[in-house]
Amino acid sequence: QVQLQESGPGLVKPSETLSLTCTVSGGSISSYYWSWIRQPAGKGLEWIGRIYTSGSTNYNPSLKSRVTMSVDTSKNQFSLKLSSVTAADTAVYYCASEDSKLHYFDYWGQGTLVTVSS
Amino acid sequence: EIVLTQSPGTLSLSPGERATLSCRASQSVSSSYLAWYQQKPGQAPRLLIYGASSRATGIPDRFSGSGSGTDFTLTISRLEPEDFAVYYCQQYGSSPPGGLTFGGGTKVEIK
Repeated sequence: QVQLQESGPGLVKPSETLSLTCTVSGGSISSYYWSWIRQPAGKGLEWIGRIYTSGSTNYNPSLKSRVTMSVDTSKNQFSLKLSSVTAADTAVYYCASEDSKLHYFDYWGQGTLVTVSS
Repeated sequence: EIVLTQSPGTLSLSPGERATLSCRASQSVSSSYLAWYQQKPGQAPRLLIYGASSRATGIPDRFSGSGSGTDFTLTISRLEPEDFAVYYCQQYGSSPPGGLTFGGGTKVEIK
């Protein structure tokens, strides 16, 4: 059973860069796409982007200019950086595995709350 | 970008009743790329349906998905107490290439 765990600072200052890492256990990081999804309190889900183990990426056009994703297969980890954050980026951030053929999310991390505040 | 509109926003029903949730897309979506999730407070979403109509592992058969093109439906045949939650549809498509969006969600609450 694949398990995912997000880690990173829970508080980020405005204009700084949000950095999160997702550690994958119980399975290989290969053969899946790996995505980040966020959810502001009381609101819906927003896909941020995905990375494949080759390093290829796709980002949400609305966030593309501020997002960078990377993958470290040796550590079974992938990461998210979101630059120039504002209060609007305050949300629970989830990492998830995305089926490479049908593009649904079958495994999710528990989510981590990131608050943007000075 | 393909926009998914879910309706109704809130559905008030009693246990044992049938729930019908709608997901309408602004452009045609391949049925292969339409999924449904359930989310309870404080929890990550859980995959229910993928490929518009295939149940994920361990999902009870009271959950079913249908639809094609721009109109998709999630049906819960008889609501159990644990089914009261928020439900999201999700699509993957070509506009833009590799793009992916979620609907705004439907809350199924106890009447």
